Amino acid sequence: SYVLTQPPSVSVAPGQTASLTCGGNSIGNKEVHWYQQKPGQAPVLVVYDDSDRPSGIPDRFSGSNSGNTATLTITRVEAGDEANYYCQVWDDSTDHHVVFGGGTKLTVL
Amino acid sequence: QITLKESGPTLVKPTQTLTLTCTFSGFSLNTSGVGVGWIRQPPGKALEWLVIVSSDDDHRHSPSLKNRLTITKDTTKNQVVFTMTNMDPVDTATYYCAHRPSQWGMPTPYFDYWGQGALVTVSS
Repeated sequence: SYVLTQPPSVSVAPGQTASLTCGGNSIGNKEVHWYQQKPGQAPVLVVYDDSDRPSGIPDRFSGSNSGNTATLTITRVEAGDEANYYCQVWDDSTDHHVVFGGGTKLTVL
Repeated sequence: QITLKESGPTLVKPTQTLTLTCTFSGFSLNTSGVGVGWIRQPPGKALEWLVIVSSDDDHRHSPSLKNRLTITKDTTKNQVVFTMTNMDPVDTATYYCAHRPSQWGMPTPYFDYWGQGALVTVSS
């Protein structure tokens, strides 16, 4: 089945830019979605269809996807952005189903 | 305003069947392309997708858990019922239900609203 690979952790200083990656075989051919999850809370969709933002999500959050890597970019990082971030795709290559990555813990230094 | 809420037991014994109910508002499962899925998260671990039911009653299951999962919808009550058989301590997790929107009557591949989650512990 399809596998999404995320680095376990990324650290960034406030005000800097964080790039969180999600690797998968030819992931550029799929639509990638990103969720932010803070401790004790349910996940929140922050980017869908590679680069679209739901209403209410700041434009500091953006996404891109090409080749074997999708990236969630957070500019002007704030302390409140510290969270786990999960990428997700719909794998229609075999028995259509949802796949989540293992998640990246973003630490704001 | 879309909301979802999970309900069910907080503790189940090994080998028992878990039944959780997702009660939702703000959308209809009669709307073409809309779906409700279940996702779980063991303590300190990643999200794991389990199952989804669509408005046309199409079901998709996690390949690794397919034989243990069932999902049914009751559009009159705005509820989705999820069951997992033969529970084991490794199934201890927070179980979430989530809304899968549609676009132009077609299913989208993501979840835009989530319930608060229900922690289920499997222990004798």
